[in-house]
Amino acid sequence: QKEVEQDPGPLSVPEGAIVSLNCTYSNSAFQYFMWYRQYSRKGPELLMYTYSSGNKEDGRFTAQVDKSSKYISLFIRDSQPSDSATYLCAMSGPPTGNQFYFGTGTSLTVIP
Amino acid sequence: GAVVSQHPSRVICKSGTSVKIECRSLDFQATTMFWYRQFPKQSLMLMATSNEGSKATYEQGVEKDKFLINHASLTLSTLTVTSAHPEDSSFYICSAPFWIRTSYNEQFFGPGTRLTVL
Repeated sequence: QKEVEQDPGPLSVPEGAIVSLNCTYSNSAFQYFMWYRQYSRKGPELLMYTYSSGNKEDGRFTAQVDKSSKYISLFIRDSQPSDSATYLCAMSGPPTGNQFYFGTGTSLTVIP
Repeated sequence: GAVVSQHPSRVICKSGTSVKIECRSLDFQATTMFWYRQFPKQSLMLMATSNEGSKATYEQGVEKDKFLINHASLTLSTLTVTSAHPEDSSFYICSAPFWIRTSYNEQFFGPGTRLTVL
């Protein structure tokens, strides 16, 4: 079983739609949960990170973590064509916070 | 935020040659850096952890003699793909952690290097 599972998509939505991206994980020791955005042929860039359970909002983006279900989500409101990218979830935790475990990434296309 | 650079951004080489990729942390020091490999439409696969002043730690299945890693200073790690073959063609990305608190670091990624072996 993989440490982190993520539906690779692809996901295609019209401009203005609400997008929901999800990951599940198996390691209950994970404490930090990140979402990265990766444009084609570029390195990933951090969108949001969350510690433990709860919600975090930043502009049009909301990250949710449910540790009891081992399930995390990223919501994008009022999606824009510029949001078209691959979204990777990542997690880390004890005994070392150095190693990140990545999902496979979900490819998102927002159609104008 | 912190910046990580990679050089070159793209390289095309003949089969059998060696290619060196540099990863630099520009405004912070990194005793540890990570090297990833990414195939098209797939996620990042951790290849190895580069440690300044000591040997790199390789993930299972990654050939140490094939992918030589040298962490020469607190701001520079290099990955050398030796005797490259077409199956080594991939997108190589490095990252460096910037510690936010004792148990969590933020990973800053380089822009990646696309290697094509003919």
